[in-house]
Amino acid sequence: DTAVSQTPKYLVTQMGNDKSIKCEQNLGHDTMYWYKQDSKKFLKIMFSYNNKELIINETVPNRFSPKSPDKAHLNLHINSLELGDSAVYFCASSQADTEAFFGQGTRLTVV
Amino acid sequence: GNSVTQMEGPVTLSEEAFLTINCTYTATGYPSLFWYVQYPGEGLQLLLKATKADDKGSNKGFEATYRKETTSFHLEKGSVQVSDSAVYFCALSLKQGGKLIFGQGTELSVKP
Repeated sequence: DTAVSQTPKYLVTQMGNDKSIKCEQNLGHDTMYWYKQDSKKFLKIMFSYNNKELIINETVPNRFSPKSPDKAHLNLHINSLELGDSAVYFCASSQADTEAFFGQGTRLTVV
Repeated sequence: GNSVTQMEGPVTLSEEAFLTINCTYTATGYPSLFWYVQYPGEGLQLLLKATKADDKGSNKGFEATYRKETTSFHLEKGSVQVSDSAVYFCALSLKQGGKLIFGQGTELSVKP
């Protein structure tokens, strides 16, 4: 039973398109995150939500819009995709007294 | 600001060799420290953690000790296996359940 699941696992799309990545966690955690891993494997926080409220937005372009319909879901919508958006995007969740649990990642390739 | 620095990779070792991956941090306050591992094509898994000075985290033969005096959290394993080949990330969090600040990752390759 997967704790943090993301879909799709792979996403190939053309520049200028709009795409979404979905994330769900069944751990009952209050906090969810999106991290971006670039081609050199460097990981950086993008957003964090706590109980459906945005608490961290790390100077990510406006083309990226997270949405949390409930505390178990945090989706990432990206408008007008650019070549530089190609990366692996990881969803994660945590609770006040636990470490973060990560999804398997979504490899986004913009062509 | 808060940051984590890891030794550069890739690191290539023979099976049963001793492993050390250095990690140092800069933080305001008292962070929790973590090692995460990413196997090829997979997400990140927590390997071990330490939440206060002098704590030792351990798992699967790996160990790391939270050293406040040297602001370090070096990862060690006495005898690596081929299956340990992965990318290892050192990370800190300034509060329990808070965002993680990662080092740049160290790729480990273990040859038979």
